[in-house]
Amino acid sequence: QTVVTQEPSFSVSPGGTVTLTCGLSSGSLSTNYHPSWYQQTPGQAPRALIYSTNIRSSGVPDRFSGSIVGSKAALTITGAQADDESDYYCVLYMGSGIWVFGGGTKLTVL
Amino acid sequence: EVQLVQSGGGLVQPGGSLRLSCAASGFTFSTYWMTWVRQAPGTGLEWVAHIKEDGSQKIYVDSVKGRFTISRDNAKNSMSLQMNSLRVEDTAVYYCARWERAGELFDYWGQGTLVTVSS
Repeated sequence: QTVVTQEPSFSVSPGGTVTLTCGLSSGSLSTNYHPSWYQQTPGQAPRALIYSTNIRSSGVPDRFSGSIVGSKAALTITGAQADDESDYYCVLYMGSGIWVFGGGTKLTVL
Repeated sequence: EVQLVQSGGGLVQPGGSLRLSCAASGFTFSTYWMTWVRQAPGTGLEWVAHIKEDGSQKIYVDSVKGRFTISRDNAKNSMSLQMNSLRVEDTAVYYCARWERAGELFDYWGQGTLVTVSS
Protein backbone atom coordinates (compact mmCIF):
# COMPACT_ATOMS: atom_id res chain seq x y z
CA GLN A 1 0.00 0.00 0.00
CA THR A 2 1.34 3.40 -0.99
CA VAL A 3 2.08 5.72 1.88
CA VAL A 4 1.93 9.50 1.59
CA THR A 5 5.01 10.99 3.20
CA GLN A 6 5.50 14.35 4.90
CA GLU A 7 8.19 15.75 7.14
CA PRO A 8 7.11 15.14 10.76
CA SER A 9 8.21 18.57 11.85
CA PHE A 10 9.71 21.78 10.55
CA SER A 11 10.77 25.06 12.04
CA VAL A 12 10.82 28.52 10.50
CA SER A 13 11.71 31.97 11.80
CA PRO A 14 9.11 34.73 11.72
CA GLY A 15 9.27 36.36 8.31
CA GLY A 16 11.10 33.40 6.85
CA THR A 17 10.19 31.04 4.06
CA VAL A 18 9.55 27.35 4.48
CA THR A 19 8.64 24.61 2.02
CA LEU A 20 6.82 21.52 3.23
CA THR A 21 6.70 18.52 0.95
CA CYS A 22 4.35 15.65 0.24
CA GLY A 23 5.51 12.54 -1.55
CA LEU A 24 4.83 8.90 -2.21
CA SER A 25 6.59 5.97 -0.60
CA SER A 26 6.93 4.54 -4.07
CA GLY A 27 6.81 6.36 -7.36
CA SER A 28 6.63 9.99 -8.35
CA LEU A 29 3.83 12.39 -7.61
CA SER A 30 2.18 14.38 -10.36
CA THR A 31 -0.77 16.71 -10.71
CA ASN A 32 -2.85 13.64 -11.49
CA TYR A 33 -2.89 12.98 -7.77
CA HIS A 34 -4.70 16.31 -7.25
CA PRO A 35 -2.63 17.26 -4.21
CA SER A 36 -4.31 19.54 -1.71
CA TRP A 37 -3.17 21.00 1.59
CA TYR A 38 -4.95 21.57 4.89
CA GLN A 39 -4.02 23.53 7.99
CA GLN A 40 -5.10 22.38 11.43
CA THR A 41 -4.61 24.00 14.79
CA PRO A 42 -5.15 22.02 18.01
CA GLY A 43 -8.78 21.29 18.76
CA GLN A 44 -9.99 22.69 15.46
CA ALA A 45 -11.24 21.18 12.24
CA PRO A 46 -8.88 21.29 9.28
CA ARG A 47 -9.02 24.27 6.94
CA ALA A 48 -8.46 23.97 3.20
CA LEU A 49 -5.45 25.96 1.99
CA ILE A 50 -4.45 24.75 -1.46
CA TYR A 51 -6.16 22.48 -3.99
CA SER A 52 -5.40 21.10 -7.43
CA THR A 53 -1.69 21.47 -6.66
CA ASN A 54 -1.50 25.27 -6.63
CA ILE A 55 -4.88 27.00 -6.28
CA ARG A 56 -5.49 28.88 -3.05
CA SER A 57 -8.78 28.25 -1.34
CA SER A 58 -11.05 31.20 -0.68
CA GLY A 59 -9.66 33.62 1.90
CA VAL A 60 -6.21 32.04 2.09
CA PRO A 61 -3.41 34.65 2.18
CA ASP A 62 -1.11 34.75 -0.82
CA ARG A 63 1.88 33.91 1.34
CA PHE A 64 0.71 30.31 0.94
CA SER A 65 1.49 28.70 -2.40
CA GLY A 66 1.52 25.19 -3.83
CA SER A 67 3.61 23.54 -6.49
CA ILE A 68 5.24 20.33 -7.66
CA VAL A 69 8.94 20.24 -6.84
CA GLY A 70 10.72 17.32 -8.37
CA SER A 71 8.63 14.28 -7.54
CA LYS A 72 6.77 15.86 -4.63
CA ALA A 73 3.97 18.31 -3.98
CA ALA A 74 5.11 21.33 -2.05
CA LEU A 75 3.50 23.93 0.19
CA THR A 76 5.53 27.09 0.55
CA ILE A 77 4.89 29.74 3.17
CA THR A 78 6.63 33.02 2.36
CA GLY A 79 6.92 35.48 5.21
CA ALA A 80 5.83 33.12 7.94
CA GLN A 81 3.77 34.57 10.76
CA ALA A 82 3.26 33.39 14.30
CA ASP A 83 -0.26 32.19 13.59
CA ASP A 84 1.04 29.93 10.83
CA GLU A 85 2.20 27.62 13.59
CA SER A 86 -0.04 24.62 12.91
CA ASP A 87 -0.16 21.10 11.60
CA TYR A 88 -0.21 20.84 7.82
CA TYR A 89 -1.61 17.88 5.94
CA CYS A 90 -1.50 16.99 2.30
CA VAL A 91 -3.97 14.58 0.73
CA LEU A 92 -3.66 12.75 -2.56
CA TYR A 93 -6.16 11.08 -4.84
CA MET A 94 -5.18 7.45 -5.41
CA GLY A 95 -7.88 6.62 -7.94
CA SER A 96 -11.11 4.62 -7.57
CA GLY A 97 -12.45 7.29 -5.23
CA ILE A 98 -9.76 6.70 -2.63
CA TRP A 99 -8.01 9.60 -0.87
CA VAL A 100 -4.97 9.23 1.37
CA PHE A 101 -3.69 11.84 3.80
CA GLY A 102 -0.07 12.26 4.67
CA GLY A 103 1.03 11.97 8.26
CA GLY A 104 1.18 15.72 8.66
CA THR A 105 3.93 18.24 9.40
CA LYS A 106 4.03 20.13 12.66
CA LEU A 107 5.29 23.62 11.83
CA THR A 108 6.88 25.70 14.55
CA VAL A 109 7.42 29.43 14.05
CA LEU A 110 10.17 30.70 16.32
CA GLU B 1 -23.19 30.45 5.08
CA VAL B 2 -22.18 26.83 4.66
CA GLN B 3 -22.51 24.89 7.89
CA LEU B 4 -21.97 21.27 8.78
CA VAL B 5 -23.17 20.41 12.27
CA GLN B 6 -22.33 17.02 13.65
CA SER B 7 -24.04 14.93 16.30
CA GLY B 8 -23.66 11.48 17.75
CA GLY B 9 -20.47 9.99 19.05
CA GLY B 10 -19.58 8.99 22.58
CA LEU B 11 -18.25 6.00 24.45
CA VAL B 12 -18.97 2.48 23.22
CA GLN B 13 -17.59 -0.94 24.05
CA PRO B 14 -15.61 -2.95 21.50
CA GLY B 15 -17.98 -4.75 19.18
CA GLY B 16 -20.67 -2.15 19.71
CA SER B 17 -22.36 0.24 17.33
CA LEU B 18 -22.70 3.97 16.99
CA ARG B 19 -24.26 6.34 14.48
CA LEU B 20 -22.87 9.74 13.55
CA SER B 21 -24.89 12.43 11.82
CA CYS B 22 -23.98 15.53 9.87
CA ALA B 23 -26.60 18.20 9.20
CA ALA B 24 -25.86 20.49 6.28
CA SER B 25 -27.12 23.99 5.55
CA GLY B 26 -26.24 26.99 3.42
CA PHE B 27 -25.73 25.09 0.16
CA THR B 28 -27.54 22.72 -2.18
CA PHE B 29 -26.69 19.52 -0.37
CA SER B 30 -27.88 17.19 -3.11
CA THR B 31 -25.24 18.48 -5.55
CA TYR B 32 -22.18 17.60 -3.50
CA TRP B 33 -20.28 14.46 -2.62
CA MET B 34 -19.81 14.20 1.14
CA THR B 35 -17.02 12.63 3.15
CA TRP B 36 -16.06 11.35 6.58
CA VAL B 37 -12.51 11.88 7.84
CA ARG B 38 -11.21 10.76 11.22
CA GLN B 39 -8.29 11.59 13.47
CA ALA B 40 -7.13 9.22 16.16
CA PRO B 41 -5.77 10.91 19.31
CA GLY B 42 -2.43 12.53 18.68
CA THR B 43 -2.23 11.33 15.10
CA GLY B 44 -2.99 12.53 11.60
CA LEU B 45 -6.06 12.64 9.44
CA GLU B 46 -7.48 9.55 7.76
CA TRP B 47 -10.04 9.59 4.96
CA VAL B 48 -12.79 7.12 5.87
CA ALA B 49 -15.67 7.20 3.39
CA HIS B 50 -17.19 9.11 0.52
CA ILE B 51 -20.74 9.23 -0.85
CA LYS B 52 -21.92 10.51 -4.20
CA GLU B 53 -24.49 13.27 -4.57
CA ASP B 54 -27.40 10.88 -5.05
CA GLY B 55 -26.08 8.19 -2.72
CA SER B 56 -25.56 5.74 -5.58
CA GLN B 57 -21.82 5.38 -4.99
CA LYS B 58 -20.13 4.77 -1.66
CA ILE B 59 -16.42 4.27 -1.18
CA TYR B 60 -14.61 3.21 1.99
CA VAL B 61 -11.09 2.89 3.32
CA ASP B 62 -10.19 -0.80 3.60
CA SER B 63 -10.06 -0.76 7.41
CA VAL B 64 -13.79 0.01 7.75
CA LYS B 65 -15.24 -1.93 4.82
CA GLY B 66 -18.03 -4.23 5.93
CA ARG B 67 -18.34 -2.48 9.29
CA PHE B 68 -19.20 1.14 8.48
CA THR B 69 -21.99 2.37 6.24
CA ILE B 70 -22.19 5.90 4.89
CA SER B 71 -25.60 7.18 3.86
CA ARG B 72 -27.41 10.41 3.12
CA ASP B 73 -30.91 11.84 3.05
CA ASN B 74 -31.04 14.66 0.54
CA ALA B 75 -34.59 15.57 1.58
CA LYS B 76 -33.28 16.27 5.09
CA ASN B 77 -29.89 17.66 4.04
CA SER B 78 -28.13 15.15 6.22
CA MET B 79 -25.48 12.45 6.08
CA SER B 80 -24.79 9.61 8.47
CA LEU B 81 -22.10 7.11 9.32
CA GLN B 82 -23.34 3.88 10.87
CA MET B 83 -20.44 2.22 12.64
CA ASN B 84 -20.78 -1.44 13.64
CA SER B 85 -18.35 -3.95 15.13
CA LEU B 86 -16.35 -1.09 16.54
CA ARG B 87 -12.73 -1.68 17.49
CA VAL B 88 -10.44 0.12 19.89
CA GLU B 89 -8.53 1.43 16.89
CA ASP B 90 -11.66 3.21 15.64
CA THR B 91 -11.29 5.65 18.53
CA ALA B 92 -10.99 9.06 16.91
CA VAL B 93 -12.53 12.44 16.29
CA TYR B 94 -14.73 12.03 13.23
CA TYR B 95 -15.27 14.95 10.86
CA CYS B 96 -17.81 15.25 8.10
CA ALA B 97 -16.71 17.34 5.16
CA ARG B 98 -18.08 18.58 1.86
CA TRP B 99 -16.15 17.53 -1.22
CA GLU B 100 -16.00 20.11 -3.98
CA ARG B 101 -15.61 18.08 -7.16
CA ALA B 102 -14.41 20.82 -9.49
CA GLY B 103 -11.46 21.60 -7.28
CA GLU B 104 -11.09 18.15 -5.77
CA LEU B 105 -10.95 19.47 -2.22
CA PHE B 106 -12.67 19.06 1.11
CA ASP B 107 -13.74 22.66 1.39
CA TYR B 108 -16.01 22.77 4.45
CA TRP B 109 -15.74 20.70 7.60
CA GLY B 110 -17.95 19.91 10.55
CA GLN B 111 -16.82 20.60 14.09
CA GLY B 112 -15.87 16.98 14.73
CA THR B 113 -17.25 14.46 17.18
CA LEU B 114 -15.31 12.11 19.43
CA VAL B 115 -15.88 8.38 19.28
CA THR B 116 -14.22 6.37 22.05
CA VAL B 117 -14.17 2.59 21.82
CA SER B 118 -13.15 1.14 25.14
CA SER B 119 -14.19 -1.49 27.63
